[in-house]
Order: sequence, then structure tokens, then C-alpha cells
Amino acid sequence: RKEVEQDPGPFNVPEGATVAFNCTYSNSASQSFFWYRQDCRKEPKLLMSVYSSGNEDGRFTAQLNRASQYISLLIRDSKLSDSATYLCVVSHTGGGNKLTFGTGTQLKVEL
Amino acid sequence: SAVISQKPSRDICQRGTSLTIQCQVDSQVTMMFWYRQQPGQSLTLIATANQGSEATYESGFVIDKFPISRPNLTFSTLTVSNMSPEDSSIYLCSVRYSNYGYTFGSGTRLTVV
Repeated sequence: RKEVEQDPGPFNVPEGATVAFNCTYSNSASQSFFWYRQDCRKEPKLLMSVYSSGNEDGRFTAQLNRASQYISLLIRDSKLSDSATYLCVVSHTGGGNKLTFGTGTQLKVEL
Repeated sequence: SAVISQKPSRDICQRGTSLTIQCQVDSQVTMMFWYRQQPGQSLTLIATANQGSEATYESGFVIDKFPISRPNLTFSTLTVSNMSPEDSSIYLCSVRYSNYGYTFGSGTRLTVV
């Protein structure tokens, strides 16, 4: 079983739609959680950290459920520019704060 | 956040040769990380490079194949040695610049022929 699992997609949605991505992690010692965005042929860039209380940044909302070891990302009012691969990422201090990446979920927002 | 300059951005190499990738950071950082991203896959950590000590390698990666240097707190190199077509991949360096922030170099796209 992979340490971080995501549905690879692709998710094809119309502009303006709301889309949700899910991620599960297997290491209960994981302490930090992130969503990264990776555009084609580019490096990953931090989209947002994920906190236990849930957090929102504009159209993006992230949720963490430690009991279920589950992370989600909700994108409202999708834009064409949201098309990218979204990577679920976790780290734990026992691992020297190194990051473990999911395989990513591909999103395509269409007209 | 820290800014990383990674070179080269891409290269095509003959099998059996070696390529050294460089990452220069605009600020001092304790830990630097080297990742590989094979086609269609996510990032896999190769090793963690600490200044003043040997790099720590992940399972499946060895120093003879991927020697790393970390001469100071702003610079690191990764060498891909004795390359084969299976080494064709994107290689990325990364640094942790805060409790929650990691930034990546722009990547080196390696093709081995």
C-alpha cells in the first residue's frame, strides 16, 4: 500500500464547477499536510497547508481528518487556470521532515 | 520563501556517462532534498543532503549511483552516475524554508540514450 494515495483522475469539469479531491495517508505519525500544485513540465508549488481545523484560501478549502487519516481539497468556481495536477503531501518529524508525495490528481477545467 | 536556481534545465546523455546537477539557494538552509519524478509519476525522495555530513539515502538509492555534495548552506550537487535509459527522469532539489514551507528548483529533465 502506498503511503499517500490519491485518485489519479483525470477530473474533467466545466468552468464554474465545484470539484473535490480526496487523499488518504497510512502513516499515523504524519504531522504536516499540504496540497501542492504541479503544472505540466513544471516543479510543484505549494498551494496550501492543511490544518486540523480546516482552512480556506479564496476558492480553495482544505480539510484534515486525523482519525480517518484523510485529507481533502475543495475548489469552488473552477477556472481554466486551475487545470493542473494536485499533489497530496505529508511529512512526519520522525522522518526528518521529509515530504512524501501522492501520485497526484489531474484536473482539467473546460469551457 | 527561498529561491532555487537549478542547472541544467535539461540534458540528453549517452548511457554509461555521468551528469552533475547543481542547485543554488538564495539563502542559507539546513536541509536540502533531492527528488526524482519519473514520467507520469509523483516525486520520490532520493536523499537528504545536510551540510557537513554525508547525505542520507532512501531505500532503493545508493551513494555510488547518486553521489551528493553539500559544501555549504546554499549549494548542493547531485550526480547521476553510469547512466542507463532507466535513469531518464526529472530530478528536482528542494529546501525547507520555514516550518511549513518547502520550495523546489525548476527541475532537470534528463534523457539517457
